[in-house]
Amino acid sequence: GAVVSQHPSRVICKSGTSVKIECRSLDFQATTMFWYRQFPKQSLMLMATSNEGSKATYEQGVEKDKFLINHASLTLSTLTVTSAHPEDSSFYICSARNVRGGFFGPGTRLTVL
Amino acid sequence: DAKTTQPTSMDCAEGRAANLPCNHSTISGNEYVYWYRQIHSQGPQYIIHGLKNNETNEMASLIITEDRKSSTLILPHATLRDTAVYYCIVRVASSGGSNYKLTFGKGTLLTVNP
Repeated sequence: GAVVSQHPSRVICKSGTSVKIECRSLDFQATTMFWYRQFPKQSLMLMATSNEGSKATYEQGVEKDKFLINHASLTLSTLTVTSAHPEDSSFYICSARNVRGGFFGPGTRLTVL
Repeated sequence: DAKTTQPTSMDCAEGRAANLPCNHSTISGNEYVYWYRQIHSQGPQYIIHGLKNNETNEMASLIITEDRKSSTLILPHATLRDTAVYYCIVRVASSGGSNYKLTFGKGTLLTVNP
């Protein structure tokens, strides 16, 4: 099946720093990408939907100025957690999709000290 | 999208069939039933989906009741590697676009025991 990669797989940073997470669709062009986060022992929560070349649509309660999403090409979307704090520590998962279907990335574990 | 209800957890013996139920009593006629699973600390993996008819692929079978208010995912011969959280999701059929959202519930933690 199609492959979606995320980089880095794991990141530890100090409070107040910004962290960028990349999501790539390796063998297909993704017209839409989704970003989820998952806290321990909880389900995935959709953060935002992004279409290539346009602004992301954020879910209610997700701060767009804190979680910057860029979807500059059909194979790459980035999520930047700005001024990260310990409460932003979570498992961030992207999903890349086209009209034929969608696939999830392996996730990025963010730990903010 | 219609809400789904799944048991919190289930156990299954290795080699036996695992039958995971899902209730979606408010499902609409144009909503598909999707199943994903998530192995610990990994991204979700697509398993199968269906609208009205039963479906089978190399991973599993999906049985949808005639009234479409519930479904069962069947893993015919569970292995230890099938231990995961299984999510049942219903979503509106799109006109072919890719913009539809998948809303995850709490899922069922299936533990396959040796």
